[in-house]
Amino acid sequence: GEDVEQSLFLSVREGDSSVINCTYTDSSSTYLYWYKQEPGAGLQLLTYIFSNMDMKQDQRLTVLLNKKDKHLSLRIADTQTGDSAIYFCAETTTGTASKLTFGTGTRLQVTL
Amino acid sequence: NAGVMQNPRHLVRRRGQEARLRCSPMKGHSHVYWYRQLPEEGLKFMVYLQKENIIDESGMPKERFSAEFPKEGPSILRIQQVVRGDSAAYFCASAGTSARDEQFFGPGTRLTVL
Repeated sequence: GEDVEQSLFLSVREGDSSVINCTYTDSSSTYLYWYKQEPGAGLQLLTYIFSNMDMKQDQRLTVLLNKKDKHLSLRIADTQTGDSAIYFCAETTTGTASKLTFGTGTRLQVTL
Repeated sequence: NAGVMQNPRHLVRRRGQEARLRCSPMKGHSHVYWYRQLPEEGLKFMVYLQKENIIDESGMPKERFSAEFPKEGPSILRIQQVVRGDSAAYFCASAGTSARDEQFFGPGTRLTVL
């Protein structure tokens, strides 16, 4: 079955790195995504990784995928107050017509 | 090119009434997805539609909920005889010509059932 889990809350100081973790159970995941949701808004796609990759870097964002452990992480370098939001990991799996299965979301709070 | 549009942004209904939520996909997009977000939870898939076809409705409740994406006009998510448990944010996403294309999300409709 499909199950995606995340820790609920993370607090970091401005300028530090943030690491948000996600675990999933479905071994047939094909793409894994990170979305950002600001209060009262929809979801914004930050980055994604194909399941045959183990790392992807995009400016301040680094995604690491450990397929053996079914563990995905998002590292945000030099975290800014504007990064405060809820971050969702999500997956699509083969044969599911690309529907997204989301984690529970991690609320990132950036303090001064 | 306008993004995905949803209306209304906020909808208040009394128990037993009907709720109609509209989603206009991005121009050129032919795939529409509806997701529901209950308070303090992640988004849950409800239904995936292409023009005039329901492709996957595995996440739709069996009763009271229906969705359509007609040849012309927006996609509609319809909830009949709403109950308090239907209170949630309903998000629509659209994707281009391939089911593997990125899904772009609308701002959501926040439904409150009194």
